[in-house]
Amino acid sequence: QKEVEQNSGPLSVPEGAIASLNCTYSDRGSQSFFWYRQYSGKSPELIMSIYSNGDKEDGRFTAQLNKASQYVSLLIRDSQPSDSATYLCAVNEASGGSNYKLTFGKGTLLTVNP
Amino acid sequence: KAGVTQTPRYLIKTRGQQVTLSCSPISGHRSVSWYQQTPGQGLQFLFEYFSETQRNKGNFPGRFSGRQFSNSRSEMNVSTLELGDSALYLCASSLNEDNYGYTFGSGTRLTVV
Repeated sequence: QKEVEQNSGPLSVPEGAIASLNCTYSDRGSQSFFWYRQYSGKSPELIMSIYSNGDKEDGRFTAQLNKASQYVSLLIRDSQPSDSATYLCAVNEASGGSNYKLTFGKGTLLTVNP
Repeated sequence: KAGVTQTPRYLIKTRGQQVTLSCSPISGHRSVSWYQQTPGQGLQFLFEYFSETQRNKGNFPGRFSGRQFSNSRSEMNVSTLELGDSALYLCASSLNEDNYGYTFGSGTRLTVV
């Protein structure tokens, strides 16, 4: 069974620190990788996507992908209390032909302390 | 631009009943996926539709079914409800057929008593 695993957390960091969230996946054929943020009581919100090996930066967020190691991570620089949420890693798995489906990890709860 | 709209927001049903949930995707989005979210299992994939065709189905019993209409609106149905079906049901839409990033609706909170 294809799996997406995230560090279980919860993760607590002080305001201004770097938060590091990690994710591994089992399907070597996966091509697209996403990070979603979910605030308590809300639906997931897409914050980053990455398709090629290396780093992708967007403001305070950096996604890192290593397909050889089947590893994807999210770094949040200068963490703010408003970043406190559950972060979900999602992997687009090839389920046959071009019919992909998005598989999610169980999420890591991040708390940023003022 | 309107987002993904799910109705109703909350539902309380009795064991054995059936329920239908509705999802209207973002205008122009043709792919609609459904997920069940519970505290213990996280987001579990139910099914995905593109242009009225079910392209993928998750590991859920046949009591869970869905369909998509020509205007891309989608419905999912759960028959013979069980207590374990209590969950947040999320619909997500995507612009193209390769599902490059979903936009989720606010979800339907189903409680089975």
